[in-house]
Amino acid sequence: QVLLVESGGDLVEPGGSLRLSCAASGFTFSNYYMSWVRQAPGKGLEWISDINSSGTLMRYADSVKGRFTISRDNAKNSLHLHMNSLRADDTAVYYCARKVESATDYWGQGTLVTVAS
Amino acid sequence: QAGLTQPPSVSKGLRQTATLTCTGNSSNVGNQGAAWLQQHQGHPPKLLSDRNNNRPSGISERFSASRSGNTASLTITGLQPEDEADYYCSAWDGSLSAQVFGGGTKLTVL
Repeated sequence: QVLLVESGGDLVEPGGSLRLSCAASGFTFSNYYMSWVRQAPGKGLEWISDINSSGTLMRYADSVKGRFTISRDNAKNSLHLHMNSLRADDTAVYYCARKVESATDYWGQGTLVTVAS
Repeated sequence: QAGLTQPPSVSKGLRQTATLTCTGNSSNVGNQGAAWLQQHQGHPPKLLSDRNNNRPSGISERFSASRSGNTASLTITGLQPEDEADYYCSAWDGSLSAQVFGGGTKLTVL
């Protein structure tokens, strides 16, 4: 079955950096777009980035453009999110999700990023 | 980035029918359609319907999606206690080159 497992969430100080990873299994990873979506405590879902199947097209929400970088390693079935210049409003659960037909059909359990001093 | 508009809350009785709405514009819902997701407290979202109103395998027929112009709708028939959750719509916005979500609707089953 499709499984997505995020890791790397942590407590980090404002201005700091963090790298999130998502390990994928149960499907042909290299055939799918992948997304990162976050959810701040008690708030709704916010799309932050996606990447095409070959890793050559990356798109970002305005709120993270220039600070976050999405990447993937199809040989290792893994998705990554490099986050720099973190701010308090980046505090959220970050979900890795598989994308099909402009919808996200499988989601990981999420990893919590807390930005605070 | 502008999001889609959903009513914050809807309350309906057990075994009744609830219709949740999601309003966008011609760059997102009107052009691309909208997907629907269900999220129970403390759990990740689950896809209920893709932008073509197709249900993934395992999703009950009680959930059906439709679209008219720039507004997408999710109808849930025969409401059950387990349907109490947050519901989100989502669409690709061609003008923004971004995925946009609605703010979510909290469905309460009385």
